[in-house]
Amino acid sequence: SQTIHQWPATLVQPVGSPLSLECTVEGTSNPNLYWYRQAAGRGLQLLFYSVGIGQISSEVPQNLSASRPQDRQFILSSKKLLLSDSGFYLCAWSVVRGKYNEQFFGPGTRLTVL
Amino acid sequence: AQSVTQLGSHVSVSEGALVLLRCNYSSSVPPYLFWYVQYPNQGLQLLLKYTSAATLVKGINGFEAEFKKSETSFHLTKPSAHMSDAAEYFCAVSYAEGGFQKLVFGTGTRLLVSP
Repeated sequence: SQTIHQWPATLVQPVGSPLSLECTVEGTSNPNLYWYRQAAGRGLQLLFYSVGIGQISSEVPQNLSASRPQDRQFILSSKKLLLSDSGFYLCAWSVVRGKYNEQFFGPGTRLTVL
Repeated sequence: AQSVTQLGSHVSVSEGALVLLRCNYSSSVPPYLFWYVQYPNQGLQLLLKYTSAATLVKGINGFEAEFKKSETSFHLTKPSAHMSDAAEYFCAVSYAEGGFQKLVFGTGTRLLVSP
């Protein structure tokens, strides 16, 4: 069966510090991968998605970047964190079922920028 | 463009009462619709999905949803609420952009269940 891991689970960082969040998927190959951010009281915002190694698409211009160095590894980074980067970050992978994708989510990382 | 509207950021029910969480969608093509549940500080778990088969869809934990094209709705219901149903619920619609399937989510509805 497939599983998705994220770490760390929680993180408190000062403004201006770098960020690296990691997501790995087990039990599948060549998955589509996604990074979402969930801010307090708001829905999920798609940040990045990837269809393969080194292939990253950005949904919104921002202070963050993503990389996919291996097939089942997806990393979210920042060189200098802003207060507005605080939130709950979710990684997801998807399986194609005909005309739609079904997405499966990781446990998330709670990021607090102080 | 596809979009989803969830009416009511918070819904409160008593244990044993009917649960009704509302979702309306906007889609230029036949939609694929999903309901996800999120427990505190956890990821999202798929409750159920509509993929153009039966319009009444049954999911996990006793939830079901009915697709009504004439009303562009996909409301989530459960006949009898349980304390463990307290969570945040998200409706989502799948769409294709640039040959890639994405999901757009509603802003969520927090379900509160009182004894």
